[in-house]
Amino acid sequence: GDSVTQMEGPVTLSEEAFLTINCTYTATGYPSLFWYVQYPGEGLQLLLKATKADDKGSNKGFEATYRKETTSFHLEKGSVQVSDSAVYFCALSDRAGGTSYGKLTFGQGTILTVHP
Amino acid sequence: SQTIHQWPATLVQPVGSPLSLECTVEGTSNPNLYWYRQAAGRGLQLLFYSVGIGQISSEVPQNLSASRPQDRQFILSSKKLLLSDSGFYLCAWTGKGSNQPQHFGDGTRLSIL
Repeated sequence: GDSVTQMEGPVTLSEEAFLTINCTYTATGYPSLFWYVQYPGEGLQLLLKATKADDKGSNKGFEATYRKETTSFHLEKGSVQVSDSAVYFCALSDRAGGTSYGKLTFGQGTILTVHP
Repeated sequence: SQTIHQWPATLVQPVGSPLSLECTVEGTSNPNLYWYRQAAGRGLQLLFYSVGIGQISSEVPQNLSASRPQDRQFILSSKKLLLSDSGFYLCAWTGKGSNQPQHFGDGTRLSIL
């Protein structure tokens, strides 16, 4: 079945440091890929997405490129801020056969803490 | 624009009591709807999804049930809560068609005593 593997956290960085959170996936079809962010005590918010190979999703300074050859969708940001402290989830939606009903498969989440 | 509402935001219930969590979506029609549970410090587990009124699919065997009495209403229920039902419950919706992201509510934090 489909699966998503994220780098284990927690990740602790100083403000303005470079961020990478690794995400790799296994899917039978041609998935769409997503990054979600969850701030403390809140629901998940869509951060960015990519729907086909070599697509780059970007939002709020975050970027991720859909790499089919390495089955990866790593999240990056050049300079993190304290306000970026949150839990980040990588997810995929497998469109194989059109029967996925929009279901997402999530990674386990990576806790990011940014210190001033 | 579309919005999704969950309530209550926080709930404390004794073991063995019933449960009803409600989720409604505004600004769209015929959405796919989802209930997730997030245990403390862990990822999301899909509990139920629905592609239409009265259509419920269960992903994992458990003590909970779901219903969709109206197009944009999704309810999570239990007749008798267990300690293991504690967690953060999230409702989400997505439009029909491919490449649609899911949009989440703010969640309900359920504590069982």
